[in-house]
Amino acid sequence: GQQVMQIPQYQHVQEGEDFTTYCNSSTTLSNIQWYKQRPGGHPVFLIQLVKSGEVKKQKRLTFQFGEAKKNSSLHITATQTTDVGTYFCAGQRGSQGNLIFGKGTKLSVKP
Amino acid sequence: KAGVTQTPRYLIKTRGQQVTLSCSPISGHRSVSWYQQTPGQGLQFLFEYFSETQRNKGNFPGRFSGRQFSNSRSEMNVSTLELGDSALYLCASSSTLDTQYFGPGTRLTVL
Repeated sequence: GQQVMQIPQYQHVQEGEDFTTYCNSSTTLSNIQWYKQRPGGHPVFLIQLVKSGEVKKQKRLTFQFGEAKKNSSLHITATQTTDVGTYFCAGQRGSQGNLIFGKGTKLSVKP
Repeated sequence: KAGVTQTPRYLIKTRGQQVTLSCSPISGHRSVSWYQQTPGQGLQFLFEYFSETQRNKGNFPGRFSGRQFSNSRSEMNVSTLELGDSALYLCASSSTLDTQYFGPGTRLTVL
């Protein structure tokens, strides 16, 4: 079945360092979404990418969707302690397919 | 707008019992999806309901079932509970099955 792999599983950074998480799908996706889950919280929607090669920015966060629409990345510039949490990608195949979540990258930031 | 609400927030059951969890979506959202989140398996899709019909289903045994009412509220039921069913059960509502708005979850512990 369709799988979405996400790496790394964990990332520990010093505050101010950059962070990147990568997401790869075994099949072409119609769109990919990114979510953030703070410790003890629930996933919160960050962004959706739909177009091949799309790049979107939200302040220090940069999201990319690959040309083949099978991979994606989230890059955080100059991490802050407020960035702590688990970042999930979720791929959708077709307009009514369910979302397939990656296992997430847990980010810890040392002040 | 009020967010997604889930009841109860915490639940302790014993093996063999059954449990019913409830989810009230954001007003106007007709799609409700259910996910199981565990440390080992991450976020796994259970099923999705739209206008009282199950539209998508994940790879879970028949012990896991759900339904949706005419007001879009949804319930999921797990029968013959097993220890491995201990997890955070998240409900998410959506207006168009893309962006998912998650509730706070129900933490189920099976003893």
